[in-house]
Amino acid sequence: QSVVTQPPSASGTPGQRVTISCSGSSSNIGSNAVNWYQQFQGLAPKLLIHNNNQRPSGVPDRFSGSKSGTSASLAISGLQSEDEADYYCASWDDSLDDYVFGTGTKVTVL
Amino acid sequence: QVQLVQSGAEVMKPGASVKVSCRASGYTFTNYYIHWMRQAPGQGLQWMGWIFPKSGDTNYAQKFQGRVTLTRDTSSSTAYLELSRLRSDDAAVYYCARDGVSGGAFDVWGQGAMVTVSS
Repeated sequence: QSVVTQPPSASGTPGQRVTISCSGSSSNIGSNAVNWYQQFQGLAPKLLIHNNNQRPSGVPDRFSGSKSGTSASLAISGLQSEDEADYYCASWDDSLDDYVFGTGTKVTVL
Repeated sequence: QVQLVQSGAEVMKPGASVKVSCRASGYTFTNYYIHWMRQAPGQGLQWMGWIFPKSGDTNYAQKFQGRVTLTRDTSSSTAYLELSRLRSDDAAVYYCARDGVSGGAFDVWGQGAMVTVSS
């Protein structure tokens, strides 16, 4: 089981704001950058947010990331039907010397 | 364009070894770490290790120490993952990805290679 936990699911109607939490510890999120990935069914993940709150080129600005202490969050504002996907946070863990992914959150657009 | 192209699906018997390839193009292969992850059916992502193609240095996840070997061929810009002593719970899609930014930000991913383990 992962040392970084996320809620298994989140949902919202089109246009709403959805927030996904990512809870870790001092050895991972508390001391390293958090990255977020978006994965559609049957496809490879895509980098959505890096270094806590930086968007790669081409990622819409309705996706935003933040970090505080040993937790991080991904917010999707103005939710759209094409945002329906799985989302994973990830960070290095200094104690394990491993890169750890969160448990993943499935976002459903109602 | 920058891309990673992986080898095809494999069907392996328990106890065997599998080798998955990941060919890079569109960038200087030796300048970026390549990481490997896997995803079992219906499950989340699991990191397996990295290789730095310029030096060949590697780092493996604790869970896979002793069973996984990462190598590379700089002449063909290809990275390889070999997993030995396969078990049924090794059945998964195996991904390679480039650490293009820093700190584990994987900006380019291979399409994935499905490995089935069945007797």
